[in-house]
Amino acid sequence: ILNVEQSPQSLHVQEGDSTNFTCSFPSSNFYALHWYRWETAKSPEALFVMTLNGDEKKKGRISATLNTKEGYSYLYIKGSQPEDSATYLCAFKGGGNKLTFGTGTQLKVEL
Amino acid sequence: GAGVSQSPSNKVTEKGKDVELRCDPISGHTALYWYRQSLGQGLEFLIYFQGNSAPDKSGLPSDRFSAERTGGSVSTLTIQRTQQEDSAVYLCASSLGAASTPSTDTQYFGPGTRLTVL
Repeated sequence: ILNVEQSPQSLHVQEGDSTNFTCSFPSSNFYALHWYRWETAKSPEALFVMTLNGDEKKKGRISATLNTKEGYSYLYIKGSQPEDSATYLCAFKGGGNKLTFGTGTQLKVEL
Repeated sequence: GAGVSQSPSNKVTEKGKDVELRCDPISGHTALYWYRQSLGQGLEFLIYFQGNSAPDKSGLPSDRFSAERTGGSVSTLTIQRTQQEDSAVYLCASSLGAASTPSTDTQYFGPGTRLTVL
């Protein structure tokens, strides 16, 4: 059974704060690590697909890094805004067809 | 363009009844996935379709669950004799599939169907 873990489970920050959270995954048989953002009552939105060790991706104020040797990825949000409030999911892709998801980090950005 | 759509958005049923959940993938996407999220759990893979190949059913939790994909497009997930533990959000996703690089194939999700079994 693949273990994909995310921490923290939930996070409350103030508007303007920068924040980060962690995804840990198996370091063997690695193909890709996906990050999604899931707002309540909406579809999960793809943020990044990361495949190479040392990869760093950026989309606006959100960025992510990848370490496949030790099996972790960090997601960073700079200058959090209320619209960033969502659940952030990471998903591991090994050699098969499926993504194995973590349980997510629930972010709440308060004014 | 249109994204992945799912219907119904909410379904309440009684224990023992059958339910059908529908997914319309993005046009041109050959790969289609079903996942579910039960309360407090991560998204759990159920089944994968790729073109005309035999589906990967390895995630289906019991033989009460089945899925079809007609004409390589619309998919229906059927749950027979529903149980309370089937209550979950059922999500469908599609991706380019064989036309893309497998390791970077982004899955695009629908809004889900929230199933409640009383």
